Amino acid sequence: TQLLEQSPQFLSIQEGENLTVYCNSSSVFSSLQWYRQEPGEGPVLLVTVVTGGEVKKLKRLTFQFGDARKDSSLHITAAQPGDTGLYLCAVVFGAGSYQLTFGKGTKLSVIP
Amino acid sequence: NAGVTQTPKFQVLKTGQSMTLQCAQDMNHEYMSWYRQDPGMGLRLIHYSVGAGITDQGEVPNGYNVSRSTTEDFPLRLLSAAPSQTSVYFCASRGLMNTEAFFGQGTRLTVV
Repeated sequence: TQLLEQSPQFLSIQEGENLTVYCNSSSVFSSLQWYRQEPGEGPVLLVTVVTGGEVKKLKRLTFQFGDARKDSSLHITAAQPGDTGLYLCAVVFGAGSYQLTFGKGTKLSVIP
Repeated sequence: NAGVTQTPKFQVLKTGQSMTLQCAQDMNHEYMSWYRQDPGMGLRLIHYSVGAGITDQGEVPNGYNVSRSTTEDFPLRLLSAAPSQTSVYFCASRGLMNTEAFFGQGTRLTVV
């Protein structure tokens, strides 16, 4: 069974702090996505990374794809209460597959 | 632009009852899927479809049926509801050449 592991499972920080969450697997991916889910809503795509070593920035969010394309990280600078939510990574395993497999997510709470 | 629309938003069923969760998308996406989300378990794939007339099972298909008669609609049927099916259900769609998934707002189902 292919596994996509996210850590930490829960994270509670004060407004203004920095944080990093991780997504790891033993498999190699052609691409990896990060989604954010707010309470009562469906997940919404933040970014897709496709190249090993790639770094993408979205305002205060920095996404990195590992050189070997087996892992990824999401770093948030100066977290704000609006960053609160569930952060999910997702991949398509296997050539020719269309199934999107999600990690269990990191639940982030940013306290004002 | 409606995107992915799910109905109902909330539902309470008695054990043994049947019901259909509706999902419609207006983006002409070929790929549609149903996930359930439970605390600590992440998003688990129930069934998916790569086009009208084509469906397949995901990770947790037991107790659920699907059909895809049109590109737009992908209903999920619970044949005989069980308390273990208490969950939040999400429908998602995406184009086959684009891995970004668009989600509905979810259906919160309670089986008593």
